[in-house]
Amino acid sequence: RKEVEQDPGPFNVPEGATVAFNCTYSNSASQSFFWYRQDCRKEPKLLMSVYSSGNEDGRFTAQLNRASQYISLLIRDSKLSDSATYLCVVNRRGTYKYIFGTGTRLKVLA
Amino acid sequence: GAVVSQHPSRVICKSGTSVKIECRSLDFQATTMFWYRQFPKQSLMLMATSNEGSKATYEQGVEKDKFLINHASLTLSTLTVTSAHPEDSSFYICSASGGSSTDTQYFGPGTRLTVL
Repeated sequence: RKEVEQDPGPFNVPEGATVAFNCTYSNSASQSFFWYRQDCRKEPKLLMSVYSSGNEDGRFTAQLNRASQYISLLIRDSKLSDSATYLCVVNRRGTYKYIFGTGTRLKVLA
Repeated sequence: GAVVSQHPSRVICKSGTSVKIECRSLDFQATTMFWYRQFPKQSLMLMATSNEGSKATYEQGVEKDKFLINHASLTLSTLTVTSAHPEDSSFYICSASGGSSTDTQYFGPGTRLTVL
């Protein structure tokens, strides 16, 4: 079983739709959680960190459920420019290492 | 956010040659730098972690004699792929952080290596 698991998709949604991704992690010692966005043939870019209290940045909302060991990302009012692969990233307590999920591919259709 | 550069962005080389990739943190001191490899349609896989002035720590299955890492200063780390073979063709990405285990990692733009 992979340490960080994501549904690879693709999720094909119309412009303006709301879409949600989940990610599960298996190591309970995980400490920090992030969502990164990666465009085709580009490097990952930090979208947002994820906190236990949940956090929102414009159209994006991230939630962390430590008891169930999953994190989620909600995108409201999808734009064509949101089309990308969304990577769930987990950092283990006491290490510098990021563990990446395989990513969830989103396509927003006109 | 912080800026990390990588050079070259793309390299094509013949089998058996060595290729050096540079990773620089432009506006902060990177105590720790990371090297990842990403094959098509797969996730980033950590190859090694390097701390300034000390030897890199390699992940299981990564040959340290084939992938030489040097982190000589707080702003520069290099990855040298020695005696490259076609199976080494991949997207190599570095990242840098300030060093605390919860610090965000900032990624370079990546280097696409093609070995003929």
